[in-house]
Amino acid sequence: EAQVTQNPRYLITVTGKKLTVTCSQNMNHEYMSWYRQDPGLGLRQIYYSMNVEVTDKGDVPEGYKVSRKEKRNFPLILESPSPNQTSLYFCASSLLGSHEQYFGPGTRLTVT
Amino acid sequence: AQSVSQHNHHVILSEAASLELGCNYSYGGTVNLFWYVQYPGQHLQLLLKYFSGDPLVKGIKGFEAEFIKSKFSFNLRKPSVQWSDTAEYFCAVNAGYGGATNKLIFGTGTLLAVQP
Repeated sequence: EAQVTQNPRYLITVTGKKLTVTCSQNMNHEYMSWYRQDPGLGLRQIYYSMNVEVTDKGDVPEGYKVSRKEKRNFPLILESPSPNQTSLYFCASSLLGSHEQYFGPGTRLTVT
Repeated sequence: AQSVSQHNHHVILSEAASLELGCNYSYGGTVNLFWYVQYPGQHLQLLLKYFSGDPLVKGIKGFEAEFIKSKFSFNLRKPSVQWSDTAEYFCAVNAGYGGATNKLIFGTGTLLAVQP
C-alpha cells in the first residue's frame, strides 16, 4: 500500500531535550516536506527536500533541522525543543512536478 | 508573495443543506489549486484539484469546485451535505513554476460541522 508513515504519532517532551520525528514514504517520491499545523494558521511549511541531499527552508524553519540521506526518509530534528514548537506535524511527499502531495498521519508534539 | 484566504472559519449546517466554502488566492500567474479535507483525528486527503482545462472540477464524495480566474477564486461546493462530511477543509495553491517547486500554500482552514 502506498503511504507516508510518521513516528511517533504522539510525543510529550520537555524543553531542551533533543528529539527526532521520522518520516518514510514507499512511493519513490523525490519531493518531501514537513508542515506544522496550528489552530487558525493552517499548515505552514517548515522544510522541504527535492531529492537526496537536497534540502531547503520553508516558511517557518527556525528551531528545526532535516536531513535526506535516503530517498524514502526525511526525518525532522528538534535540537532543543521549546514550548512554541508544540504543534501537529505532517510529513508529505510527491513526485517532483506533480504538485499533488500525499500526507502522513501526523505527529502531535507537546513541549512542556 | 502568494497567499490563500478562506473567509469561513467555522460553518455549521444541517444534513441535506448545500455547502459553499470560499477560497481566494493572490497570484497573477498560472496556478494549481487544491482542496484537502481532514476528518477528525486523521491526515489530510485530497478532495479535488485543478491544473488546467474545465474550470469546474469534480472530486470525491460529491464535492466540486469552480475556478474563476477573474475573481482569483476556487470555491468548494456540495449540493447536499451529510453528517460524515464533518471535517476541516483546506484550500491550497501552488504557483507551478514549471515543476521546479512543489510548494503548497495553505489557507487557514474551514471547520465544517454537520448536524444530523
